[in-house]
Order: sequence, then structure tokens, then C-alpha cells
Amino acid sequence: DAGVIQSPRHEVTEMGQEVTLRCKPISGHNSLFWYRQTMMRGLELLIYFNNNVPIDDSGMPEDRFSAKMPNASFSTLKIQPSEPRDSAVYFCASSPLRGEQYFGPGTRLTVT
Amino acid sequence: QKEVEQNSGPLSVPEGAIASLNCTYSDRGSQSFFWYRQYSGKSPELIMFIYSNGDKEDGRFTAQLNKASQYVSLLIRDSQPSDSATYLCAGNNFNKFYFGSGTKLNVKP
Repeated sequence: DAGVIQSPRHEVTEMGQEVTLRCKPISGHNSLFWYRQTMMRGLELLIYFNNNVPIDDSGMPEDRFSAKMPNASFSTLKIQPSEPRDSAVYFCASSPLRGEQYFGPGTRLTVT
Repeated sequence: QKEVEQNSGPLSVPEGAIASLNCTYSDRGSQSFFWYRQYSGKSPELIMFIYSNGDKEDGRFTAQLNKASQYVSLLIRDSQPSDSATYLCAGNNFNKFYFGSGTKLNVKP
């Protein structure tokens, strides 16, 4: 299995631009998670989908962030407009029923 | 209070020793617990999960869970320099998932 796939691996953009991060979960996993990691705040859960339905989006910092999962094999996290404080590594993870999570390689986002 | 508390470290142990990593949690309804290893610049990698009180062993790793004390630990036997990383403790309670901030482990050759 290829594992969780994320793209792009690195993104550098200017403040105010729209950023879209992409994730392909492991086939057969029914849960998908988006995380943000910074040195200051550690690993933060942004949103959690189960069977393509958003279950908990309480970690989404503000309305500039949105996430979708149109089918079982694809999810996006969008930031519009982006701000320098959004600079972080964004991880996608997927999980089978039991709860253990398998992380993708992450997208390192830099907003200048 | 965070749902999961870990000592940030660094925890330094000599090569060949036992490294003991600890975590406490506040949600008594938590059912499952997980240990992840994260090398610098990489993504977290699942090492072990445990659901029941007691010990669970996998190779050089042993996870321990004490639900009465709300305490989870990870023992690494015969520590190697390649074990040097940050170890994240995580738990879940149905649709609620949480991670600790991690303990940095340094294994000295």
C-alpha cells in the first residue's frame, strides 16, 4: 500500500493568496484527519471526517479554513485568504475502525 | 488542563538502557491509547496501541496502561541511537481524539 499521500509537499505563497492542500487516504480506511503542527502549539487536530462526513471541525481556527471530502479517496484543506500565522506543517492521517492513525508525509506551508 | 500531559524532556539515556516514557490523561472515558514516534522533519509514525489495562509487548517496545491511575507508558528496551526522536502519546474517546505535546528522547552512543 502506498500509504497516505499528500500534495504538495512544500508550498510557499504570499499573504492573501488561496492555498489548497490535498490528501489521498489509505484505501479502506473510513476516517480522515487534518492536523497542523508548529513548534509553539504542537500537533493540533483541525477536522475529522468519518465515512466522508465531517464529525468534528471544532479545531478549524476560523472561517478562512475549510475542508471537504467529496469521496472516500480524496480530501482537501483550503485556506483563503492565507496569513503568515498559517505557516506550519499540515498533516493528513487516515484510520481504520480501531482508531490508530497513519500519517502522510505532510505539507510544509510558508506564507510570506 | 490538556487532555494528555507528557514531560517535554529531553530524556537522555545511554545506548543499551531502558527508556521509560510516560503520559497521563484526564478523560476517564478514553478507550484507546497510542504511541507515535516522530523524527525531526518527518511525520508521526505509529509504534503501538493499547486498549486494555496491563502490558502489551512488541519487540523492544512495551506499552503499559493503568486506567485507574489514568496513566500510559512506553518502555523501550536496549535503546539505540536510532530511537532518538520525539514520542507522542495519544488517546481517543469515541469521536474525540487528542495528542500530547511529546517527549524528546536522546539515546547517547
